[in-house]
Amino acid sequence: SAVISQKPSRDICQRGTSLTIQCQVDSQVTMMFWYRQQPGQSLTLIATANQGSEATYESGFVIDKFPISRPNLTFSTLTVSNMSPEDSSIYLCSVRAQGGETQYFGPGTRLLVL
Amino acid sequence: ELKVEQNPLFLSMQEGKNYTIYCNYSTTSDRLYWYRQDPGKSLESLFVLLSNGAVKQEGRLMASLDTKARLSTLHITAAVHDLSATYFCAVDIPFLSGTYKYIFGTGTRLKVLA
Repeated sequence: SAVISQKPSRDICQRGTSLTIQCQVDSQVTMMFWYRQQPGQSLTLIATANQGSEATYESGFVIDKFPISRPNLTFSTLTVSNMSPEDSSIYLCSVRAQGGETQYFGPGTRLLVL
Repeated sequence: ELKVEQNPLFLSMQEGKNYTIYCNYSTTSDRLYWYRQDPGKSLESLFVLLSNGAVKQEGRLMASLDTKARLSTLHITAAVHDLSATYFCAVDIPFLSGTYKYIFGTGTRLKVLA
């Protein structure tokens, strides 16, 4: 298993600003994923971040809006740029070891945009 | 388009009763996972199903996988209030260079009434 922490745990932001969310894992992992969960909804994959390469974005998500960094095998950041109220969601970091069968999830970052 | 659908979306049941949640998916996969999410919390792994015919049981919950029918079930036996939560299935699909990523189901919000 993996222990994952996220910062901040929650934030209230003004529209037009940006927020960077950090994800830290207690072990080296190959795959790191960023999900969005809008209120009362399921989880939607934003992008996959591999160390040393550019993130791979899912349909409907773009790098300009959600830039991602993955500087090493235990850390990643997701930035939500130029925020609007529609970005109010829970953002979850998830990890998977090379050849791993299971993904583990962080506690989430609860974002409210006013 | 890949779809992972759960049925029902909402379930209110009495304590002591049995019920089944269904997870249907539209692509070939022999790897499926069940997670539980409590309000305001992250996801907790319940079951990992990695082959056709796989059956796993933990307490009052039992999960099964039929890859030919592209169907997984989560059966609840003699429900208790503590099982109230949202349950998600997730299908594992091939991704980059032999890796996998999850596609989540729509979720089933379960409320067990005393």
